Amino acid sequence: SQKIEQNSEALNIQEGKTATLTCNYTNYSPAYLQWYRQDPGRGPVFLLLIRENEKEKRKERLKVTFDTTLKQSLFHITASQPADSATYLCALASGGSYIPTFGRGTSLIVHP
Amino acid sequence: NAGVTQTPKFRVLKTGQSMTLLCAQDMNHEYMYWYRQDPGMGLRLIHYSVGEGTTAKGEVPDGYNVSRLKKQNFLLGLESAAPSQTSVYFCASKNSGLETQYFGPGTRLLVL
Repeated sequence: SQKIEQNSEALNIQEGKTATLTCNYTNYSPAYLQWYRQDPGRGPVFLLLIRENEKEKRKERLKVTFDTTLKQSLFHITASQPADSATYLCALASGGSYIPTFGRGTSLIVHP
Repeated sequence: NAGVTQTPKFRVLKTGQSMTLLCAQDMNHEYMYWYRQDPGMGLRLIHYSVGEGTTAKGEVPDGYNVSRLKKQNFLLGLESAAPSQTSVYFCASKNSGLETQYFGPGTRLLVL
């Protein structure tokens, strides 16, 4: 069955360091992958989308990589700040699908 | 633009009671979705709609019904609430041809 795995353990890092979150998937051939941010008590907010034929995407301090051979996406936040503390969700969808499947999310805690 | 709004924000029900959750979007989006989010389970799709007057089942539809009588509104109904339906419910919408989903702030439901 299709499976999306994100680290269930919280990632704790110091302010200024680069945070790297992982999204692994099995039995899936996604056409694109998205990353969302979710703050406590709020709905997810879209951050970045990367397509299967793209290796890397950047937006300000955010960078996403997509390796369809390893079936893995990495989400990087450079020069992290306490305000980056949140849960980050990855979501995958097949080509032509309008129903993404979400991972369970990884909590990021940035310490001042 | 208000984006996606959800009513109510919080509700307590007794087992067997019924209620309707309202989702409204002012972005003229074709697609709308209802998810539930439980600790450790991530976002799970309940029902979705690809246009006014259409609805379809998602991953966990049992115990829920939906209606999309107007393009901007998507209603989620619980006919006979059960404690297992205690959760946070999120509505989302997106434009056809684009992948990004816009989420509402959520409705926290407690069934006693």
